[in-house]
Order: sequence, then structure tokens, then C-alpha cells
Amino acid sequence: AQSVTQLGSHVSVSEGALVLLRCNYSSSVPPYLFWYVQYPNQGLQLLLKYTTGATLVKGINGFEAEFKKSETSFHLTKPSAHMSDAAEYFCAVTPSGAGSYQLTFGKGTKLSVIP
Amino acid sequence: GAVVSQHPSRVICKSGTSVKIECRSLDFQATTMFWYRQFPKKSLMLMATSNEGSKATYEQGVEKDKFLINHASLTLSTLTVTSAHPEDSSFYICSARGVYSTDTQYFGPGTRLTVL
Repeated sequence: AQSVTQLGSHVSVSEGALVLLRCNYSSSVPPYLFWYVQYPNQGLQLLLKYTTGATLVKGINGFEAEFKKSETSFHLTKPSAHMSDAAEYFCAVTPSGAGSYQLTFGKGTKLSVIP
Repeated sequence: GAVVSQHPSRVICKSGTSVKIECRSLDFQATTMFWYRQFPKKSLMLMATSNEGSKATYEQGVEKDKFLINHASLTLSTLTVTSAHPEDSSFYICSARGVYSTDTQYFGPGTRLTVL
């Protein structure tokens, strides 16, 4: 079974400041991990994913995340926040290997960017 | 690449009527499609998983007869909300998993259903 915990349902940062959105997961098998972004009244857009290989993964819009197995974490960061980054962010996990690849989502973190 | 569309984007219907929502993978073949429901300010709740040519697998608590899912081709899945009631009002989102990029789900833009 898998689970995802996103610490902080709402995070506010100033424009230009570091963005850090926290995600911890639980998985009985090696996980595949994802970050998605959702703008109001829209679907989810894939930001980045970790499956295998390099633990630091880079995504779109300047975001990156690092898979830390020892900490069971997959935190999302961006060096400098932009107004357009304001949105809801979801961390998700699925078990690696063959299967249905059903995603288990965290509850989401709403990011606000203050001008 | 990996674009998923949904139609309609918004629908308003009267209580007791049925509504069909289409989900299409535009530039890839989707072996598996997923249907989610999202309540206001909440995360996504998986409703069902459908594989092309097979019956959908519904999550616990989701009524099969109310939420009919058809996955007739590798690019199209439909969700029909039968005899809709106001409590069915929600944001419905589909996703698709491709034949080649099997580890990733690509999401549609969602459909806002309002039942009066």
C-alpha cells in the first residue's frame, strides 16, 4: 500500500523567494514519484517525475525535486518564485514494476506568491 | 505530446438526466484510462480504472450502475453519469496512460458538472 503526506496545505512565498513544497511517502515497494500542478478549474499538469536513475530530477518551469530514500521524501523546490507559480501542487506515488500504475495523491498544497 | 482532452468542459443538467463525458488521448494510444472526481479544495479521488476493450474496475464505494465507463478504443473513454442528482455535482478529471510511457498518467482539463 502507498500513501503520501504533503506538509502544509497552504504555503505563501514572496516573489523571487525560494519555493519548498514538502512531500513524504510510504510505499511497500520501490516507488515512482510525481509532482503535478493544477491551476484553477483545470486538470493536472505533470511537473516532473522520478522513476529510476538520478535522484535529482528537473522538471518544467524551473522546478526540481530530489528523491531521498532514507528520508522517504520527494520535496519540490524552485529557486525563485514567480507570480505564475501560484497554483495547487499535488505529490503522487505509484508502485514501480508492472501494474495498473494507479496513483495515490497527497492532499495538495496551495502555493500563493506575494508580489 | 501526451495531450488528453475532455468534452464538455462544463455541463449543467437537470436532476434525473444522464450526462456523458468524453476523454480522448489526442497524440498517443492509451491502454489504460482513469477517472477521478475532485471535490472543492480537495484532492483527487480515483473512481475507476478502465482498460481498452475490458470492463472498468471501480473503486470501493463507487456505484457501477451510476457511473458507466466505456473504453471502446485506445484513444477514447467515456463516463456517463446516469440519473444525475445534485450530489453528483463535481469536477471530473480523466487521465490516460500510454502504451509506451507506461509509468506516467497524463490528465485531461476536467469537466465541471452541475446538477440542478
